Amino acid sequence: LAKTTQPISMDSYEGQEVNITCSHNNIATNDYITWYQQFPSQGPRFIIQGYKTKVTNEVASLFIPADRKSSTLSLPRVSLSDTAVYYCLVGDRSNTGKLIFGQGTTLQVKP
Amino acid sequence: NAGVTQTPKFQVLKTGQSMTLQCAQDMNHNSMYWYRQDPGMGLRLIYYSASEGTTDKGEVPNGYNVSRLNKREFSLRLESAAPSQTSVYFCASRPGTGSYEQYFGPGTRLTVT
Repeated sequence: LAKTTQPISMDSYEGQEVNITCSHNNIATNDYITWYQQFPSQGPRFIIQGYKTKVTNEVASLFIPADRKSSTLSLPRVSLSDTAVYYCLVGDRSNTGKLIFGQGTTLQVKP
Repeated sequence: NAGVTQTPKFQVLKTGQSMTLQCAQDMNHNSMYWYRQDPGMGLRLIYYSASEGTTDKGEVPNGYNVSRLNKREFSLRLESAAPSQTSVYFCASRPGTGSYEQYFGPGTRLTVT
């Protein structure tokens, strides 16, 4: 499983776009990139998953450069309710086994 | 469709006591997981079950045992609780191959005194 590195914390203000970058230098050819969000006292919630280029859903966008050694989760126009911990995971989707969470990025959105 | 359910929600144990945390999912998922999360920390994988009938160790398996009772249920047992096992325990399930989308339960807050 590829090791991931994220910033420990980030601050933003309501209405701004937030970009959280995850480094995964040892990503393998079959690995996908997945992001989760966790609010206090709750289990993590799946946000988005991608393999290359750009993926967008109703919540976020995921940008993956050609070398795939990093990825960026983009949250458009954040609100106070987006204050949470965000986790980046990397692994082979065909593997039904281990899913290891890293330390995550604590995003604090201020009014 | 309840998703992933966990019981109990809260538990206080004395050192040396045993207990079993229960987890069930009604989504017909193949894989199930147990994580622990200490205050201010990330999630650590304790055990997982890739499919019914199989279980494997995660990052921090010492002091725990698991049972994949059937496709729906995956239990976690603490044989002799220690204060270091005070944590929030999350159960999760995943459909299987093709997706990393895990579905998490609400968690069990365990305190060992």
